[in-house]
Amino acid sequence: AAGVIQSPRHLIKEKRETATLKCYPIPRHDTVYWYQQGPGQDPQFLISFYEKMQSDKGSIPDRFSAQQFSDYHSELNMSSLELGDSALYFCASSLVADALNTEAFFGQGTRLTVV
Amino acid sequence: AQTVTQSQPEMSVQEAETVTLSCTYDTSESDYYLFWYKQPPSRQMILVIRQEAYKQQNATENRFSVNFQKAAKSFSLKISDSQLGDAAMYFCAYRSARNAGNMLTFGGGTRLMVKP
Repeated sequence: AAGVIQSPRHLIKEKRETATLKCYPIPRHDTVYWYQQGPGQDPQFLISFYEKMQSDKGSIPDRFSAQQFSDYHSELNMSSLELGDSALYFCASSLVADALNTEAFFGQGTRLTVV
Repeated sequence: AQTVTQSQPEMSVQEAETVTLSCTYDTSESDYYLFWYKQPPSRQMILVIRQEAYKQQNATENRFSVNFQKAAKSFSLKISDSQLGDAAMYFCAYRSARNAGNMLTFGGGTRLMVKP
């Protein structure tokens, strides 16, 4: 079965650079979530999209932006990168329209290292 | 805001034995979902089991079962016949049922070690 695909898997950037993370949800899933997991920490919710509209917003810095495109894939854009942005970034997707089965399925994550 | 607390940073179990991981949460809502996710060294987040708050019956998935105490806001995970492959970080998570597509709130995680 198809899973959530994230690219790239690893990314190294320098401070003040920009990074773009991509997420391809499970086919027919209508909701995408982004989470940030710092070293030794639990995942922290950043932002989510339902049917290409932002549906919820968490602790996402103003330097970050995200969107969901017409094909339901999502991109997380991170500008003016800081050392503290180094983390594992997860994307997850779910099918909200299926009220009986709405758990989120996670991608393998993108490990971002800012040097 | 909801909070999820896992009071055991690390747990250890002998292979083939049983271990219970604790989780408590705080919410003012009556309808929600609770989950246990497993994160092995590969860092992939894998859903282990889920519980709907409106269901009194505890969820079970093979060797994994939960003890859901709604009044006490407690949601523990029991792993029976522990296997070496169970070694991982385990995260308890809460999701409101108020709006479809709500985010997950995670606990701090419990690292489970399995001794051969």
